[in-house]
Amino acid sequence: EVQVLESGGGLVQPGGSLRLSCVVSGFTFSNCAMSWVRQAPGKGLEWVSFISGGGGSRDYADSMKGRFTISRDNSKNTVYLQMNSLRAEDTAIYYCAKDPRESNPYYFDYWGQGTLVTVSS
Amino acid sequence: ETVMTQSPVTLSVSPGERATLSCRASQSVKNNLAWYQQKPGQGPRLLIYGASTRATGIPARFSGFGSGTEFTLTISSLQSEDFAVYYCQQYDNWPLTFGGGTKVEIK
Repeated sequence: EVQVLESGGGLVQPGGSLRLSCVVSGFTFSNCAMSWVRQAPGKGLEWVSFISGGGGSRDYADSMKGRFTISRDNSKNTVYLQMNSLRAEDTAIYYCAKDPRESNPYYFDYWGQGTLVTVSS
Repeated sequence: ETVMTQSPVTLSVSPGERATLSCRASQSVKNNLAWYQQKPGQGPRLLIYGASTRATGIPARFSGFGSGTEFTLTISSLQSEDFAVYYCQQYDNWPLTFGGGTKVEIK
């Protein structure tokens, strides 16, 4: 059974930093790209970032470039999202989502329950 | 960026009735279109990919159709567990984009 579990969310002040983690199980982690997708309170879904199965390819939505960094540790079945220079508009539930392919983001066949990030003073 | 527009925003349907949801892309996405279901407090669940292929474990009452810029998701006979928000997502053009969602509520 595929499981996706995010952690690391919380309350942070504007300009602050936070690192999210996502631990997965039930599939060969290195064979699958992973993405982070966020959802502001009461709003729709917004793709944030992607990393390929081997970690050699990654990309970000324009509003996150230069502030967010995605990485993965295939020995720990874990993907991370380092978020710096956080803004109020980054407040959202952050979901970790599994891609069925190794490279290039596609659709997402499994999602976690999400972790809430609140940026406020 | 490919803008995905879903309609209607809210759909009121009685249990057992048919529901048809629409998704329009601002440019062609071929058949690279997925549908998700999201219930309160949960992450999205993949229903359809490739515009018309049901994901593993998805009941046959869910069907997807379309290509290019016009897509539909049909739920043939709504069950109580189907009342939720539905999102479409294109994966043909960069960046990946989602529609704004359609909430299917009990009439």
